[in-house]
Amino acid sequence: GAGVSQSPRYKVAKRGQDVALRCDPISGHVSLFWYQQALGQGPEFLTYFQNEAQLDKSGLPSDRFFAERPEGSVSTLKIQRTQQEDSAVYLCASSFRSFTGRPATNEKLFFGSGTQLSVL
Amino acid sequence: KNQVEQSPQSLIILEGKNCTLQCNYTVSPFSNLRWYKQDTGRGPVSLTIMTFSENTKSNGRYTATLDADTKQSSLHITASQLSDSASYICVVPTGANNLFFGTGTRLTVIP
Repeated sequence: GAGVSQSPRYKVAKRGQDVALRCDPISGHVSLFWYQQALGQGPEFLTYFQNEAQLDKSGLPSDRFFAERPEGSVSTLKIQRTQQEDSAVYLCASSFRSFTGRPATNEKLFFGSGTQLSVL
Repeated sequence: KNQVEQSPQSLIILEGKNCTLQCNYTVSPFSNLRWYKQDTGRGPVSLTIMTFSENTKSNGRYTATLDADTKQSSLHITASQLSDSASYICVVPTGANNLFFGTGTRLTVIP
């Protein structure tokens, strides 16, 4: 596709339910990020993939959060036993090159429209 | 502590007027600073990327400035349009695989 695609667009979950959020990055993009954006706040880093390797997961808030990118393209963010504080927009972003070390100065990140998760 | 702070938090201006948004950062080491525009319900879209050596960069009606000594950046919007209504987010990458996002300035342009 022409851009980063995320699905579903909206997800309503009951507290305790497991959810899976999907990200289709731009074809050929090496780097993939997941961010969590609370209402009225800037995105906060969750995790980073370089191809299929998860190089940084320091932003995942708890062990209920798990992300994978098994073939280096599509990524899934899974949240187990969802809680109300998990309600947020989950953004996926990709870039053509690696972000390891200092990011290339002209390296753009392309964001998807996000999945809005509401936990009741 | 790495931080990116933006002001004002929100701004309302009349169509056709100019405005300036501010960003102060303490991220280290510094390599570049980015401004993104985020429409409601959409992901952020890159407006400009400024490196350490650049003082000013323009992208249409958007002009970004950077003062690496004082660690401040501004985004100036000229002749605002209704479509400029959005959140404007200042972003500074760290030396690792991460970007620090400010909380954004919510701009509303009214007719």
